[in-house]
Amino acid sequence: RKEVEQDPGPFNVPEGATVAFNCTYSNSASQSFFWYRQDCRKEPKLLMSVYSSGNEDGRFTAQLNRASQYISLLIRDSKLSDSATYLCAVNRAGGYQKVTFGTGTKLQVIP
Amino acid sequence: DAGVIQSPRHEVTEMGQEVTLRCKPISGHNSLFWYRQTMMRGLELLIYFNNNVPIDDSGMPEDRFSAKMPNASFSTLKIQPSEPRDSAVYFCASGGQREQFFGPGTRLTVL
Repeated sequence: RKEVEQDPGPFNVPEGATVAFNCTYSNSASQSFFWYRQDCRKEPKLLMSVYSSGNEDGRFTAQLNRASQYISLLIRDSKLSDSATYLCAVNRAGGYQKVTFGTGTKLQVIP
Repeated sequence: DAGVIQSPRHEVTEMGQEVTLRCKPISGHNSLFWYRQTMMRGLELLIYFNNNVPIDDSGMPEDRFSAKMPNASFSTLKIQPSEPRDSAVYFCASGGQREQFFGPGTRLTVL
């Protein structure tokens, strides 16, 4: 089993729709969780960290479910500019900086 | 801040040649990461430095790959000899405690 798994998609959704992605992780000792966004032929960029209590940034909401070992990203009112690949990332505890990335979920928002 | 700088941006070489990729991290960041990204395998961590010291090189595929960080502002990833299966985008990233900042990547093609 991979350490971090994502549905590769693509998710094709119309503008204005709500879309959600999940990401499962296998290491129960994982402590930090992130969502990165990667545009075509560009580098990944941090979208948001995921906190235990869940967190929201505008149209984006991130959730953590430790019991089931997954994180989620919800995008409301999808825009054409949201089209990208969304990578989840998981970090271990103890200040160790190694982050394991999922292979990404591709989102295409359609006019 | 110029962000993470990588060179070259594109490299096309023939099998058997030596390839050297370069990275300048963001000033003040004490962690540096080299990743490789392919369609099949996604984003893979090759090696991670902390304060210029290699901490985890378990992702380096084989002896043909080597990485150095002679000082806090420069790192290299070398492939010798290169093979067609090394074709990928190689990212360098630097970071603090949580977020990693990626460079624009080097797109390597080995013929």
